[in-house]
Amino acid sequence: DGGITQSPKYLFRKEGQNVTLSCEQNLNHDAMYWYRQDPGQGLRLIYYSQIVNDFQKGDIAEGYSVSREKKESFPLTVTSAQKNPTAFYLCASSIGPVSFYEQYFGPGTRLTVT
Amino acid sequence: AQSVTQLDSQVPVFEEAPVELRCNYSSSVSVYLFWYVQYPNQGLQLLLKYLSGSTLVKGINGFEAEFNKSQTSFHLRKPSVHISDTAEYFCAVRMSGGYNKLIFGAGTRLAVHP
Repeated sequence: DGGITQSPKYLFRKEGQNVTLSCEQNLNHDAMYWYRQDPGQGLRLIYYSQIVNDFQKGDIAEGYSVSREKKESFPLTVTSAQKNPTAFYLCASSIGPVSFYEQYFGPGTRLTVT
Repeated sequence: AQSVTQLDSQVPVFEEAPVELRCNYSSSVSVYLFWYVQYPNQGLQLLLKYLSGSTLVKGINGFEAEFNKSQTSFHLRKPSVHISDTAEYFCAVRMSGGYNKLIFGAGTRLAVHP
């Protein structure tokens, strides 16, 4: 089955610690994305990558970092500089960067920082 | 700046009743429009999309939406809802050209009661 895997589903961390969220896809998609979801605010784009070894900041990149060393993997690190890291994080991918293509979403990781 | 407004944060409805979830967008250029559904603690699933052509779009699970360019709206409708339709629904807009960035509304929580 092709799809997007995010692990773990729930993640707990202490304030001041960096944490890395995993996102893997076996759809052979070129483009990958990270969104943050907060209640009542919809989804906001953190980072996106249109091709391996390249990525761009989205609307709320501060306090986050990413890498794209492999086509199938796009991990997100939530650093201690992110002031409100507790949220639901969604990874997505699409066949290509051209605006025609649908984005497919993973099941999400709920991060709680205390 | 482009934006998406979902006019109702919550819509309660009885089973087998019709429902309309409203979505308006602001954009001066051509857009592509999407409706996604999210079940609790899961990722987003595409319901339907408008790219071009007929303004009435049919999607999965019996949902349909109508693109109205003059009113910049893309309302989602279903003639008879089921308990299983209880979920959060997101309207999203993507501008033609440029990179594959989706702008999401804040979401509408549909609660279907027996």
